[in-house]
Amino acid sequence: KAGVTQTPRYLIKTRGQQVTLSCSPISGHRSVSWYQQTPGQGLQFLFEYFSETQRNKGNFPGRFSGRQFSNSRSEMNVSTLELGDSALYLCASRLAGTSSYNEQFFGPGTRLTVL
Amino acid sequence: AQKITQTQPGMFVQEKEAVTLDCTYDTSDPSYGLFWYKQPSSGEMIFLIYQGSYDQQNATEGRYSLNFQKARKSANLVISASQLGDSAMYFCAMREGRTSNTGKLIFGQGTTLQVKP
Repeated sequence: KAGVTQTPRYLIKTRGQQVTLSCSPISGHRSVSWYQQTPGQGLQFLFEYFSETQRNKGNFPGRFSGRQFSNSRSEMNVSTLELGDSALYLCASRLAGTSSYNEQFFGPGTRLTVL
Repeated sequence: AQKITQTQPGMFVQEKEAVTLDCTYDTSDPSYGLFWYKQPSSGEMIFLIYQGSYDQQNATEGRYSLNFQKARKSANLVISASQLGDSAMYFCAMREGRTSNTGKLIFGQGTTLQVKP
């Protein structure tokens, strides 16, 4: 079974630009969560999508947005990039539902550098 | 508010020895789950072990075991027989509430483990 895939793996942008990151969950998984990892703030939850609806949202400005498609693939968008948005963005998928603990599987991440 | 604390920024262990990574948590929700993840330098988060708040026994997965002390709100990871490939960053994480409701995880700051040959 293929794991969680994220594209692109590396990205370099300049301040003010916007960026779109993509995440394909494990087949059959309906929930996708996004996390931002930086050396200073650690791992922080961005948002979660389930069945094309945003279920949870972390404390991030409105420049960070996301969506989920009918095939459960998810995208996140960051508009008007700032230097502080440089980070590793991790996507995680889970089955969701009534299974015992809904283990989350993470993708390899997209490393975004903002110059 | 929910919080995860990992007090050991870095640790060393000799190959083949056991090591314990500390994790304490704070939550007012009686239903929660605790996770440990390993993050090698490549960046991918690898799931290691899970403990539910209502689980009666400590979780074990191969060389990994979780020392769950509910009254003390601690969930320490024990790695037995350390291997060089265990060198990585380790994160403790918590999910509050019923498992079907949310995938949101709160992470600790992590512990860097280095295994010496």
